Amino acid sequence: AQSVTQLDSQVPVFEEAPVELRCNYSSSVSVYLFWYVQYPNQGLQLLLKYLSGSTLVKGINGFEAEFNKSQTSFHLRKPSVHISDTAEYFCAKLNEKLTFGTGTRLTIIP
Amino acid sequence: DTGVSQDPRHKITKRGQNVTFRCDPISEHNRLYWYRQTLGQGPEFLTYFQNEAQLEKSRLLSDRFSAERPKGSFSTLEIQRTEQGDSAMYLCASSTGEETQYFGPGTRLLVL
Repeated sequence: AQSVTQLDSQVPVFEEAPVELRCNYSSSVSVYLFWYVQYPNQGLQLLLKYLSGSTLVKGINGFEAEFNKSQTSFHLRKPSVHISDTAEYFCAKLNEKLTFGTGTRLTIIP
Repeated sequence: DTGVSQDPRHKITKRGQNVTFRCDPISEHNRLYWYRQTLGQGPEFLTYFQNEAQLEKSRLLSDRFSAERPKGSFSTLEIQRTEQGDSAMYLCASSTGEETQYFGPGTRLLVL
């Protein structure tokens, strides 16, 4: 069973518009969730993480995500995107090792 | 602290040859992980070390793959008798425990 699901493989968004990238995870006792960003031909950079505490998590580059236990979701949001946000975004769940979703390619349209 | 480094960044080899990749983790990170990422997919776990002990290996890690972390610092991943299906990005990550993993830039392997 897929542990992390990213339903949207590609999301085109106009510059300065808001964006939401969806992530659903399979439920477990303890949940550690992450969003990573990958620019072309580079490794993964941590955007933000949820370990415990507040369900609204703020990360770098103006991104935030909300942990929703009842809906088993951890969607990533940004109120206004820039050209530089063009990249692949991966949601991941930690259980000793990271299990990643298949990724969402965010394309910003000028 | 310069982050996780990997060498080489790119490797082109012929089918049947052996290749070895190196990963240097963030200093004092006791955990080191290897992942493989194929085109259009998310990274998939291969193996991880706590200090010098290899604690888990994925079923993706066939007998042709071997990983070591001899002194609990840097790690090597060797692929013997490479196949075209081994073409991928090999990513290394490190952490201080069971939380945030920090990734290196990856080694892109192309097997001809």
